[in-house]
Formats: sequence, C-alpha cells, structure tokens
Amino acid sequence: SQQGEEDPQALSIQEGENATMNCSYKTSINNLQWYRQNSGRGLVHLILIRSNEREKHSGRLRVTLDTSKKSSSLLITASRAADTASYFCATLDDMRFGAGTRLTVKP
Amino acid sequence: EAQVTQNPRYLITVTGKKLTVTCSQNMNHEYMSWYRQDPGLGLRQIYYSMNVEVTDKGDVPEGYKVSRKEKRNFPLILESPSPNQTSLYFCASSSRLAFPPEQFFGPGTRLTVL
Repeated sequence: SQQGEEDPQALSIQEGENATMNCSYKTSINNLQWYRQNSGRGLVHLILIRSNEREKHSGRLRVTLDTSKKSSSLLITASRAADTASYFCATLDDMRFGAGTRLTVKP
Repeated sequence: EAQVTQNPRYLITVTGKKLTVTCSQNMNHEYMSWYRQDPGLGLRQIYYSMNVEVTDKGDVPEGYKVSRKEKRNFPLILESPSPNQTSLYFCASSSRLAFPPEQFFGPGTRLTVL
C-alpha cells in the first residue's frame, strides 16, 4: 500500500500565485521527503523534513509537518511556469511514494 | 558525473519474450530499487536491494526478477512479459550512510508489451 498520499491530484494556477500541495501518510515516520518529477523523467529530491521539525524553508519552498495529523504540506511561492511538474511526498522509512500532485503553472 | 543510468530508454516487445532492463550507478550506493509508474497510481516499488546479494520484494514484485551481483548494477528481468507490465520504470539508488539519504533516480525506461 502507498504510504504518502498527495492532495490534490492536479492543480492549475497562474504564474506568480502560490501553490499548496498536501500529503498524508499512514504510519509513524522519522523523516518525510518531497520530490519533483518533470514529465516522463526521474524524480529529483527537493527537501526533507525531520519528524521533530514543524517547518522548513528552501528558497521558494516551504514544507510543514504535522505528525499528530500525519500530514505534510509543500508550498511553492511566486510560482513560475518552470515549476510545472508532478510533486511527490515519500516517507524516508520505507521510500513509498504517493500518486503525486500534478502542478500546472500558466504563464 | 554522479548518475544512475538505465537501458534501454524505450522498448516495445511482445508477450512472453524475455527482457532485461539494466540499471547502473556510479556513486557506490548500497541501496538500489526499481519502481514502476502508472497513471493515477504513482510510483510503486517492485524490488529493492540493501546491498550486494541482498534483494527483497517491494509492493508489486509479481512477474519480475532482479539480481545484485555487483554493487553498481541492479538489472530488472521480465521472464515472460505481459501487457499489464506496460509501464514507465525507474531505477533509483541511495546511500544508507548519508543524510539525507535521498534517492537518485535514473531517466526512466518506457516499456510497451504488445
């Protein structure tokens, strides 16, 4: 069974807007990662958040983690057309991925 | 350049014809794994390997075999491919000693079984 479940499945926004994607997981975790995938290509690691962290920033990315709700969110601020991709969360403990959120940023 | 390579990148074959997809990494990673990606299902792990000669089933191992005779290589074998194995396949590797142990992914192999 899949550990990370992303929500929404698809998101379409205008350039400059913020994009928020959510991830829920089932079991206790030590770490959670977010990955990005350009169409038909391999996944690229974006950011990791540890279970004892509540929020982490990396450039235009902001990740939050709520272990009580077993959920995480990825916020991309000031989105660009180049951010168009699929985004996946994965729990580090078992490296299971969800179905991903397909983000489209319109210029 | 640190990378994971897969071959072939594209393959069209027929039911029952044995095939192998190769995966190689040059980062001396202990951990390697294979995933398949299908629309709406995300990535599902097929097999993984913690180190040489150590392999384990993932979530969807049926119809696949793997081997890990050398640290750098982790081939995926389909002894008798069927149309339901038409998918996009990714190999990945990571070091269990590094933190964060991010997975490095290959470019993908698009397989069509007729």
